[in-house]
Amino acid sequence: AQTVTQSQPEMSVQEAETVTLSCTYDTSENNYYLFWYKQPPSRQMILVIRQEAYKQQNATENRFSVNFQKAAKSFSLKISDSQLGDTAMYFCAFMGYNNDMRFGAGTRLTVKP
Amino acid sequence: KAGVTQTPRYLIKTRGQQVTLSCSPISGHRSVSWYQQTPGQGLQFLFEYFSETQRNKGNFPGRFSGRQFSNSRSEMNVSTLELGDSALYLCASSLVERADTQYFGPGTRLTVL
Repeated sequence: AQTVTQSQPEMSVQEAETVTLSCTYDTSENNYYLFWYKQPPSRQMILVIRQEAYKQQNATENRFSVNFQKAAKSFSLKISDSQLGDTAMYFCAFMGYNNDMRFGAGTRLTVKP
Repeated sequence: KAGVTQTPRYLIKTRGQQVTLSCSPISGHRSVSWYQQTPGQGLQFLFEYFSETQRNKGNFPGRFSGRQFSNSRSEMNVSTLELGDSALYLCASSLVERADTQYFGPGTRLTVL
């Protein structure tokens, strides 16, 4: 079974600085998809970024980028120029052939003014 | 385009009762997935529906069931409620049946007393 591990329960960063959230996963599949979702206090899950495993190029979305290392089964999220609105729980998620998403335990990120 | 909607947003039930939660996907989306989120277990996959058929099911007891209607709206039902069923229930929709980004609703907060 696929497992997703986020080893950092909590992190903090100063506004305007850069922070990296870690995620590792375990799978025997070759084709799969990885996601980062953000859950602010409102509890609404918001998609941050998506990466297809067959693509070597790392995905980017404005201030958000990933470092996808397929061989190492690592998928970290870098947030540049952190903003107060980035304060949230961040979940790393894996989607394989069966289409059910497996989530990590989450990292609580606090952006400090 | 309107997002995923879930009703009701909050529910309070007592042990032994049953409950039905509703989810309306984004217009045009045909796949609906359900997740349970608790502080102890995190986010766990319940089941997925596509074209009125359950395609995948997580590791939950038979008290948890669901269905999807021809307009892609979905309901999930929990019978004989237990205290441990208290959770945030999240619904997510996607356009196609596989390997597609899932967009989440705001969730239904269920409290079992």
